[in-house]
Amino acid sequence: GQQLNQSPQSMFIQEGEDVSMNCTSSSIFNTWLWYKQDPGEGPVLLIALYKAGELTSNGRLTAQFGITRKDSFLNISASIPSDVGIYFCAGLNYGGSQGNLIFGKGTKLSVKP
Amino acid sequence: DSGVTQTPKHLITATGQRVTLRCSPRSGDLSVYWYQQSLDQGLQFLIQYYNGEERAKGNILERFSAQQFPDLHSELNLSSLELGDSALYFCASTPRDRGAAFNYGYTFGSGTRLTVV
Repeated sequence: GQQLNQSPQSMFIQEGEDVSMNCTSSSIFNTWLWYKQDPGEGPVLLIALYKAGELTSNGRLTAQFGITRKDSFLNISASIPSDVGIYFCAGLNYGGSQGNLIFGKGTKLSVKP
Repeated sequence: DSGVTQTPKHLITATGQRVTLRCSPRSGDLSVYWYQQSLDQGLQFLIQYYNGEERAKGNILERFSAQQFPDLHSELNLSSLELGDSALYFCASTPRDRGAAFNYGYTFGSGTRLTVV
C-alpha cells in the first residue's frame, strides 16, 4: 500500500533555531496535510496544501506541496518551547482500500530553551 | 476541544477480553474514521463510516469491528485482545464523504489509550 517516508525521525534544537522536515512518497497525492500532536492529545491540523507547487504559511510555519505531488516539506522559523511535539505529514487521496488519509511516522521535535 | 469526543480516555484490560471504544463526531459531521497509533507504526487507518455505512477499510484485524449508529456516534469493538493491541485509538470526523473531505482535513479526538496486560 501507500507509504510516506518522513524525516528526520527526531530533532533536538535550540530555541530560536529554524526547523525543516519533509515527507516523500512513491505515490502521488491530491492533498498534503501537516499535523501536530501534543502528548495525550489527538493530531491537530496545521497546514493543508491542495495544489502541486503550492507554498502556504501559517504564522511561523511554512509548507510546500512538491511539484511531483510525491513530497512535501514543513519549515518552522524561530522555534519556541511550545513547538515541542510530534509533527506528522499526511497524504490524502480518493479511492483505494487504505482509506483516504495516509500518515508518515512523525518527526519528534524537542526544543531546548 | 476539537468537538470529537472519545470515551473512555484510558482502558486497561486483560488478554482475551473484549472492549468497546466510543466516538461522537463533531456536530454536523457524517463521516467517522478510526486510527490505531502504536509506538513503532505511527497512525494506521482502520475503518471509515459515512452516515451509518462502512465506506473504507484499512488494515483492520478480523477481531476488530466497528459500527456507526443513527445518531452518528461510532463504536470500535476489539475482541480476543492480545498484548500487541495496546495502543492509542483515535477517531476523526469530517463533514462529508471521501470526495468532499478534500477541503476540510480531519478533526481528531483525544484518543483512547488501551493497555492490554
